Amino acid sequence: GQSLEQPSEVTAVEGAIVQINCTYQTSGFYGLSWYQQHDGGAPTFLSYNALDGLEETGRFSSFLSRSDSYGYLLLQELQMKDSASYFCAVGMDSNYQLIWGAGTKLIIKP
Amino acid sequence: GAVVSQHPSWVICKSGTSVKIECRSLDFQATTMFWYRQFPKQSLMLMATSNEGSKATYEQGVEKDKFLINHASLTLSTLTVTSAHPEDSSFYICSASRGPPYEQYFGPGTRLTVT
Repeated sequence: GQSLEQPSEVTAVEGAIVQINCTYQTSGFYGLSWYQQHDGGAPTFLSYNALDGLEETGRFSSFLSRSDSYGYLLLQELQMKDSASYFCAVGMDSNYQLIWGAGTKLIIKP
Repeated sequence: GAVVSQHPSWVICKSGTSVKIECRSLDFQATTMFWYRQFPKQSLMLMATSNEGSKATYEQGVEKDKFLINHASLTLSTLTVTSAHPEDSSFYICSASRGPPYEQYFGPGTRLTVT
């Protein structure tokens, strides 16, 4: 079967750095994506890794190691508005279908 | 760019009625559209994948006769929940993809409550 594992909840302090890990076991792999979802809202795209290495976009970075079936999302200079759920998702096939992790709720304390 | 709209944003209906939800890509042509449902504090559950002009591909366990999907054009897909029941109450979200990379653009979601 297909599975993605990520922590259910992470707590951090405003201004700090936090890393959210994701390991996956899927029959296909085109790339690893990360999405952010605030309570009551729809997911918004954060990043995508198809190749090994680190991708940086402002305060957010995402890493992929295909040999380890592992990736992470790194959030720096945390702000209160970053409190949300973060989902990793694996692109499975040429139809761009995504398999989703269960999500990590990020709680930020002042 | 890459804006997806969804209408209505919320709907309350009586048990036994049907509800149609529209999903539109406003500024791009979507190769593929996806329909998800999400229960509180849970992940997104993919219901079906649809390509313009062809039948939707439903995920296992999703009743195609209950959740009718029509993908009439490259910018519009509709989901009709037929003969809705209280257990169909959920947050329904559509997304659209315009090709690689694996970036899906999500609509704002529709909160359906069946009484």
